[in-house]
Amino acid sequence: DSGVTQTPKHLITATGQRVTLRCSPRSGDLSVYWYQQSLDQGLQFLIQYYNGEERAKGNILERFSAQQFPDLHSELNLSSLELGDSALYFCASSRAGEFTDTQYFGPGTRLTVL
Amino acid sequence: DAKTTQPNSMESNEEEPVHLPCNHSTISGTDYIHWYRQLPSQGPEYVIHGLTSNVNNRMASLAIAEDRKSSTLILHRATLRDAAVYYCSGTGNTGKLIFGQGTTLQVKP
Repeated sequence: DSGVTQTPKHLITATGQRVTLRCSPRSGDLSVYWYQQSLDQGLQFLIQYYNGEERAKGNILERFSAQQFPDLHSELNLSSLELGDSALYFCASSRAGEFTDTQYFGPGTRLTVL
Repeated sequence: DAKTTQPNSMESNEEEPVHLPCNHSTISGTDYIHWYRQLPSQGPEYVIHGLTSNVNNRMASLAIAEDRKSSTLILHRATLRDAAVYYCSGTGNTGKLIFGQGTTLQVKP
């Protein structure tokens, strides 16, 4: 158990819909990262937050957005869903969001878009 | 962002050492090299990281080339539980991980 929790575990929805994925970091960790894992694209970095502020951005679509709240939990919002958005979404957390940090990954949310 | 190249798959026999290579020719001078592994149906987990010197921990050793364009993860005695996909990544100063395709390690009894 990494200490990072993600909900829900599975999500099935239809094209065009909007969903919210939730992540609670390990106690004391200030930085949260979101990653997408699909069969064709592999494991891709989406976005990072540190203490409520956006810190780094990867290949995140404009239809996707995220935020980190004062209690440090984070949400990833996916809208206008397409079939290709079906993937595993991982959240990770680290102490300070620096290049020596170890990231601890949650169990993931499996999103299926029908 | 530093790009990484790894072999798609490797095989090892149980109890034998395994050397997993990674090329990261575009890595910058301040990027750390991190290795993570992903067991089936789980999120990635940290294995080891380093900057220039070789590093050891209870899980593995990391050998970094002098020019830092490549590194090798060494599992000293592979076990069946080490069967996983292994990823190497450079990190920028924010700690984000840029994963390549990874190496699927198969361990045979």
